[in-house]
Amino acid sequence: AQSVTQLGSHVSVSEGALVLLRCNYSSSVPPYLFWYVQYPNQGLQLLLKYTTGATLVKGINGFEAEFKKSETSFHLTKPSAHMSDAAEYFCAVSAEAGTALIFGKGTTLSVSS
Amino acid sequence: KAGVTQTPRYLIKTRGQQVTLSCSPISGHRSVSWYQQTPGQGLQFLFEYFSETQRNKGNFPGRFSGRQFSNSRSEMNVSTLELGDSALYLCASSSTGTGRETQYFGPGTRLLVL
Repeated sequence: AQSVTQLGSHVSVSEGALVLLRCNYSSSVPPYLFWYVQYPNQGLQLLLKYTTGATLVKGINGFEAEFKKSETSFHLTKPSAHMSDAAEYFCAVSAEAGTALIFGKGTTLSVSS
Repeated sequence: KAGVTQTPRYLIKTRGQQVTLSCSPISGHRSVSWYQQTPGQGLQFLFEYFSETQRNKGNFPGRFSGRQFSNSRSEMNVSTLELGDSALYLCASSSTGTGRETQYFGPGTRLLVL
């Protein structure tokens, strides 16, 4: 069985500060890992994903994440937060056998000026 | 390409009624998945359809059903609505539905059950 744990349901940063959103996963098979962002009253938008290959993955809007198998982690980072980054962020895992995405509970990012 | 579209965007029903939600995937995509999003349970997988066949199903009661048409459009039906069915229902499409593919999400249908 697969599962995802996002540490911290709410993270607050100042504009220009480092953003770090934590995600740990559990999977009995090599996982595919995703980060999605959801703005109010909208669906989910893919930020980045890890399937195979390079463990440091770069995504849209300056976000990146590093797959660390030994730590079963896939933390999301951004060097400098913008006000427009305020949203809810979801980490998800899937397996080759099917398309069901297993999501974490989500982390709400607040950015203050 | 147009994105995933869902209709209607908002819906109000009363307990005991049934509801049908519609999803049109990105052109050329053959896999459609449905998710339920609630504040308490978060995002949960309902089911996935590929080439008109249900290929994968989450842990939901039989009141939740779906189907997919030959043009890949999908519908989801909930019968005998309960208050707890109030949620945002999200549809996602992908090309062939393998685990490594990106799933593209629609804006969702917000269902309120009174």
